[in-house]
Amino acid sequence: GQQLNQSPQSMFIQEGEDVSMNCTSSSIFNTWLWYKQDPGEGPVLLIALYKAGELTSNGRLTAQFGITRKDSFLNISASIPSDVGIYFCAGYISSGSARQLTFGSGTQLTVLP
Amino acid sequence: NAGVTQTPKFRVLKTGQSMTLLCAQDMNHEYMYWYRQDPGMGLRLIHYSVGEGTTAKGEVPDGYNVSRLKKQNFLLGLESAAPSQTSVYFCASSYFPGQPQHFGDGTRLSIL
Repeated sequence: GQQLNQSPQSMFIQEGEDVSMNCTSSSIFNTWLWYKQDPGEGPVLLIALYKAGELTSNGRLTAQFGITRKDSFLNISASIPSDVGIYFCAGYISSGSARQLTFGSGTQLTVLP
Repeated sequence: NAGVTQTPKFRVLKTGQSMTLLCAQDMNHEYMYWYRQDPGMGLRLIHYSVGEGTTAKGEVPDGYNVSRLKKQNFLLGLESAAPSQTSVYFCASSYFPGQPQHFGDGTRLSIL
């Protein structure tokens, strides 16, 4: 199946710093989604991207659908303690038998006071 | 305003026992999914359903069975639990494939 390479695996940052994480693949995706998972809870959708080159913001979060359609980026500006959690990218290919979301392995974010 | 509800939230089983995990959604979504989440491996699709009465295999279906008798419910069964099935199980639903999936809060399952 399709593979999504998400990096970094973990990040330790100071409160107030900006954060960047990304997902890459050898396959072309039609949709990119970014989720956040808090401890003990299920993933919650942050941003959805549907067009190559699309840049979408949600408060301090900004995500981009790569021009090649093989990657996506998530940036968090001015991090705060509640940003702690695991961030997942997910991609969707609409053709063939791969009509399922493929998830990256996640980026564990720790924000230090 | 429940969204996706999973029961139970926690369960401990002995090897060889069976159990059923229940997922219920109140958003009238056609598609429902069962994932397992293991450390460092993200979410892996076990089975999914494209509508009432239909099911299909995902990436890691072995050892699991599912049923979708009602549109709002999706059941995941373990017929003979094995320690390798210790994991956190998430149910999700969506209107269409490729649309954002809405997740439940998970069931933490330990097999001894």
